[in-house]
Amino acid sequence: EVQLVQSRAEVKKPGESLKISCKASGYKFTNYWIGWVRQMPGKGLEWMGIIYPGDSDTRYSPSFQGQVTISADKSISTAYLQWSSLKASDTAMYYCARSDRVTAAADYWGQGTLVTVSS
Amino acid sequence: DIQMTQSPSSVSASVGDRVTITCRASQDIRDWLAWYQQKPGKAPKLLIYTASSLQSGVPSRFSGSGSGTDFTLTISSLQPEDFATYYCQQANTFPYTFGQGTKLEIK
Repeated sequence: EVQLVQSRAEVKKPGESLKISCKASGYKFTNYWIGWVRQMPGKGLEWMGIIYPGDSDTRYSPSFQGQVTISADKSISTAYLQWSSLKASDTAMYYCARSDRVTAAADYWGQGTLVTVSS
Repeated sequence: DIQMTQSPSSVSASVGDRVTITCRASQDIRDWLAWYQQKPGKAPKLLIYTASSLQSGVPSRFSGSGSGTDFTLTISSLQPEDFATYYCQQANTFPYTFGQGTKLEIK
C-alpha cells in the first residue's frame, strides 16, 4: 500500500529554521516525483516545487525559488522541505504528493504538516 | 508561468443535479490536466488525470473533457459526499500550477 507520512505540526518563531519531512512507503521511491504544495489558511492550493529522487532533479515555482529548499534521501525514502528563516507568512498547511512520470498527476498525498510561525 | 482560471468560483446545487466546472489555461497544455477534490481538513484527492482519464476507485459520475486550453469537469448526478472544493492543475510545464478552486455547496 502506497503511503506518504508527513512529520508532525510545528510552531516556530520568525527567523527560525525548519525542515519538514515526507516518508514514502509501498513503492519504489526513486521512480516517482515528490512535490510540495502549500495551502494558506482558507486559501487554495499552491504548487511549490518537485524533486525526482532517482537523480535529484529539482524544480521550483518562481514564487518559492530561493525561499525554500526541497531535497530527498533515497536511503530512507524521505523527501524534505526546508526553510532557513521563517516568516509569519509561511504559516500554512504543507502537503507532499507523489506524481508519476507517465500521468504527471499527484495520485497519492501525505496527510499534511501544519506550520505556524508566530512571535 | 501558465495561469489556470476556473469558473465558477462557487456553485450551489442539489443532490441529483448535473454540475460542470470549467478550467481555462493561459496557453496550450495539450491534455496535461488533472482535477482534484478537497474536503475540509483533508488532503486533496486525484479524480481525473490527462484531462479525461478516471483515477482508479473514483465513481463514474465524475468525468473530464477538453484539450488545449479549455477543460471541463462534470459530475453527472451529485451525491451528498461530492460537496467539496475542486481544483484543476496543469502538468504540461513546470511550475505545475493550480486553478483557484471551485467550491461546490449544497443548495
